[in-house]
Amino acid sequence: KQEVTQIPAALSVPEGENLVLNCSFTDSAIYNLQWFRQDPGKGLTSLLLIQSSQREQTSGRLNASLDKSSGRSTLYIAASQPGDSATYLCAVPGGTSYGKLTFGQGTILTVHP
Amino acid sequence: NAGVMQNPRHLVRRRGQEARLRCSPMKGHSHVYWYRQLPEEGLKFMVYLQKENIIDESGMPKERFSAEFPKEGPSILRIQQVVRGDSAAYFCASSRDDRGHEQYFGPGTRLTVT
Repeated sequence: KQEVTQIPAALSVPEGENLVLNCSFTDSAIYNLQWFRQDPGKGLTSLLLIQSSQREQTSGRLNASLDKSSGRSTLYIAASQPGDSATYLCAVPGGTSYGKLTFGQGTILTVHP
Repeated sequence: NAGVMQNPRHLVRRRGQEARLRCSPMKGHSHVYWYRQLPEEGLKFMVYLQKENIIDESGMPKERFSAEFPKEGPSILRIQQVVRGDSAAYFCASSRDDRGHEQYFGPGTRLTVT
């Protein structure tokens, strides 16, 4: 059974800091890994999708890496801003069907001015 | 290209009533997924459907819950005889296929059972 863990559970940083969010998964037989952002009371916004054949993916100030063999992914946020405050979730497909996503519990990020 | 649409956004039901949640996938997407987020808990998979077929319902409670994705129209998640423990945010996602493509999420339906 796939399990996804995210560390830390919460993170509070001053504006401008570079930061790293961690995601680990128990079953390395994955097609891809997806990072999402969720604002309070809102839906999920897809940030990055890394295919299993890729090592990293970049979008603006975000960079996600994937190490399948060790079951880990990191999301790097450069020059953080207050608008980055949200819950960040990672998810991997698999288990009973390829379409089923298993989510981590998320990292609650607060960036203060 | 409109995103995934869900309605209603908020739904209040009394215990014992039925709740119907609707989801229209993104244009060109034929795979639909339903997830539930209970208060203070993570997102949990419920069911995965393609047009007229249930592919995986391993996360759906055996009693009172059902889902469909007809040939025409939106996907429907139906909860019969709701109880307080059904209060949660229900999210729908869609994708072009189930291998390698992103899932895009709707804004969710927040169900409150009084």
